[in-house]
Amino acid sequence: DAGVIQSPRHEVTEMGQEVTLRCKPISGHNSLFWYRQTMMRGLELLIYFNNNVPIDDSGMPEDRFSAKMPNASFSTLKIQPSEPRDSAVYFCASSFNLGEKLFFGSGTQLSVL
Amino acid sequence: DAKTTQPPSMDCAEGRAANLPCNHSTISGNEYVYWYRQIHSQGPQYIIHGLKNNETNEMASLIITEDRKSSTLILPHATLRDTAVYYCIVRSRNTGNQFYFGTGTSLTVIP
Repeated sequence: DAGVIQSPRHEVTEMGQEVTLRCKPISGHNSLFWYRQTMMRGLELLIYFNNNVPIDDSGMPEDRFSAKMPNASFSTLKIQPSEPRDSAVYFCASSFNLGEKLFFGSGTQLSVL
Repeated sequence: DAKTTQPPSMDCAEGRAANLPCNHSTISGNEYVYWYRQIHSQGPQYIIHGLKNNETNEMASLIITEDRKSSTLILPHATLRDTAVYYCIVRSRNTGNQFYFGTGTSLTVIP
């Protein structure tokens, strides 16, 4: 298995633009998590899904952020409009049944200028 | 979930055992201790977890004190590739209790 696949690896955009981050979980995993990592705040859980249904989005910073999981093999995290303070590394992770082993992707380094 | 306390940084000589401590004095009976690590610019990686018994796998050993208020992750023969940030997380396995990463311990393995 190729593991959790995230795209793009790097994204540079200008303030106000829409940004879409993509994630393909490990085949067979039914839980998916989006995290954000910055030097100031560390790793923050933004939202997670179980069986394609959002379970807890209390970590989503504001309405500019939205996440979807249209099927078991794909999820997106969208920021619209983007702001410089959104610059961070965004990680996607998957697991089986909200289990104890989270498998993380390589992350998307987002820079908003 | 219970809060954990870890030293911000540690050094270890290559080939020696690395012992990473974690305090979780407010842990409750149904909460497990998990360890993850994050090598620079990569996503976190699961290492090991346990409830009250000591655990060992191919990566590390986990020693949990009898009162469960602290634990130690042991890397028996540290290599340069073990240089990473190590996170100790306490979590209930009940549905809805997810992994919240603190600041961890930055371990540097010195040649």
